[in-house]
Amino acid sequence: GEDVEQSLFLSVREGDSSVINCTYTDSSSTYLYWYKQEPGAGLQLLTYIFSNMDMKQDQRLTVLLNKKDKHLSLRIADTQTGDSAIYFCAETPSNTGKLIFGQGTTLQVKP
Amino acid sequence: DARVTQTPRHKVTEMGQEVTMRCQPILGHNTVFWYRQTMMQGLELLAYFRNRAPLDDSGMPKDRFSAEMPDATLATLKIQPSEPRDSAVYFCASGLGLTDTQYFGPGTRLTVL
Repeated sequence: GEDVEQSLFLSVREGDSSVINCTYTDSSSTYLYWYKQEPGAGLQLLTYIFSNMDMKQDQRLTVLLNKKDKHLSLRIADTQTGDSAIYFCAETPSNTGKLIFGQGTTLQVKP
Repeated sequence: DARVTQTPRHKVTEMGQEVTMRCQPILGHNTVFWYRQTMMQGLELLAYFRNRAPLDDSGMPKDRFSAEMPDATLATLKIQPSEPRDSAVYFCASGLGLTDTQYFGPGTRLTVL
């Protein structure tokens, strides 16, 4: 079945790196996504990775994909207080267009 | 700055009342999705459209929910009659195609008393 799992909470100090992990079940997903949700706001697309890639870097963000283990991670370098939010991992199984989301990881950044 | 808009942003209503939520997708996007977010269930896909035609509404309680796209610039989600368990944030998202990146609106926070 379709399932995406994330840890629920991560706390880091400002300036440290944050790593948010995600596992998914459907190997047919062509793209895997990371979305960010700030309090009271909608979901903002952060980045995505094509399934034939192992890594994608975009400024402070690094996405790593291990297709064999169906494991996705998001690394935020030099984490800032403004990065405090909920981060959602999502897959699109069988190219249906349906986004299947994880439960979201709440990132708390302490000054 | 193209973005998805949703109205109303907040809605408080009483059980049994009809609720209509509206979404304006990004101009040129032909795929529209409706999601619901609750603390217990997280983010769930309710329904989605391509070129205004419904593709899948299996995530939606059919007896009380209905989703339509009267034209390419407007999608609606209606609940009649509403129940307290419908209280949630409802998000609309649009994309250029079925497998294209989805861009989310700010959501409608619905409270049914």
